[in-house]
Amino acid sequence: EPEVTQTPSHQVTQMGQEVILRCVPISNHLYFYWYRQILGQKVEFLVSFYNNEISEKSEIFDDQFSVERPDGSNFTLKIRSTKLEDSAMYFCASSDPGEGKQETQYFGPGTRLLVL
Amino acid sequence: ILNVEQSPQSLHVQEGDSTNFTCSFPSSNFYALHWYRWETAKSPEALFVMTLNGDEKKKGRISATLNTKEGYSYLYIKGSQPEDSATYLCASYNAGNMLTFGGGTRLMVKP
Repeated sequence: EPEVTQTPSHQVTQMGQEVILRCVPISNHLYFYWYRQILGQKVEFLVSFYNNEISEKSEIFDDQFSVERPDGSNFTLKIRSTKLEDSAMYFCASSDPGEGKQETQYFGPGTRLLVL
Repeated sequence: ILNVEQSPQSLHVQEGDSTNFTCSFPSSNFYALHWYRWETAKSPEALFVMTLNGDEKKKGRISATLNTKEGYSYLYIKGSQPEDSATYLCASYNAGNMLTFGGGTRLMVKP
């Protein structure tokens, strides 16, 4: 069964460093998403991406964040200069464009980011 | 800011017990309610997407209902098994192209 994959599973970085989190969505999906969960808090939406551009972003997704689909298979989240409060589990998800908000979003297993 | 709440936060049941938990969400500008099952170190697994008031969906021993007028959904598990132990997340799609998640209900089923 097709699945969303994410690499790395864990990443430790120093404050101020740039990190790139990678995702391979399900191959025929056209909508891509990033979410995060800070330990002990709710899963929060960061950004959605369709047709090579951001379709929606939350207040969390400030200028320090960017997303890219560099080729036909990968979808990346870059954090330009990491802060301690960026430590979280980051989830990628993808969905078929069929029915919009009614479409199931398929999640990857997450990347645990720790900023020291 | 939308508020999606789940209760209880955690639940311990014996194998064979049936159980249920609640998700409440804003009823205004509602489009869809998603349920996920999330086991530690695995991907959240989609269970149901529900859109219409009165919707009922079933997958094996798990079922869910939806009341969009009052803004709540129930998830039921019949005859809980140890493998049902997981965190169950609901997420609401209201105005705006984003899912808003509840805090989850952590279910532990003792053999």
